[in-house]
Amino acid sequence: SQTIHQWPATLVQPVGSPLSLECTVEGTSNPNLYWYRQAAGRGLQLLFYSIGIDQISSEVPQNLSASRPQDRQFILSSKKLLLSDSGFYLCAWSTGTGDYEQYFGPGTRLTVT
Amino acid sequence: SQQGEEDPQALSIQEGENATMNCSYKTSINNLQWYRQNSGRGLVHLILIRSNEREKHSGRLRVTLDTSKKSSSLLITASRAADTASYFCATDARAAGNKLTFGGGTRVLVKP
Repeated sequence: SQTIHQWPATLVQPVGSPLSLECTVEGTSNPNLYWYRQAAGRGLQLLFYSIGIDQISSEVPQNLSASRPQDRQFILSSKKLLLSDSGFYLCAWSTGTGDYEQYFGPGTRLTVT
Repeated sequence: SQQGEEDPQALSIQEGENATMNCSYKTSINNLQWYRQNSGRGLVHLILIRSNEREKHSGRLRVTLDTSKKSSSLLITASRAADTASYFCATDARAAGNKLTFGGGTRVLVKP
């Protein structure tokens, strides 16, 4: 069966510090991968999605970047965090074909101080 | 702008009652999906309804889709305290490729 991991679970970082959040998927090949951010009590904002290695689309211009060094690994990064980067970050995967049901990781709670 | 918007934003009911929430969207879709999120957790896929379907059931869940009105509803029957969560609709728009667009969600509180 497929599983998706995210780490860390929680993170407190000062403004101006770098960020690296990691997401890995097991049990599937060539997944579509997604990074979302969720503000408190709000819906999901799609940040990046990837249909393959080195095929990453950015949905919202901002302080963040994403990379996919391996087929089942998706990394969200920032060189310098802003206060507005605080939120709940969710990684998800779907198959590359069909109905695109998405399967989510447990999320990372990021607080920028 | 959000493709899917849920209504109401929040709902409080007693255990055993039914909970109904609605989702409206703006463009043509391939399918519409409903997800549940428990507080502080990731989303869990509940049910998918295709654009050529009008109603679908899964256990205590019933989803309807009206493409002429660009709306969907999720009904949870005989609710339980464990149904307390936020519920999101997500649309797979025909022009959106591999992406889903999520609404703002409905927060449901089921009181024992």
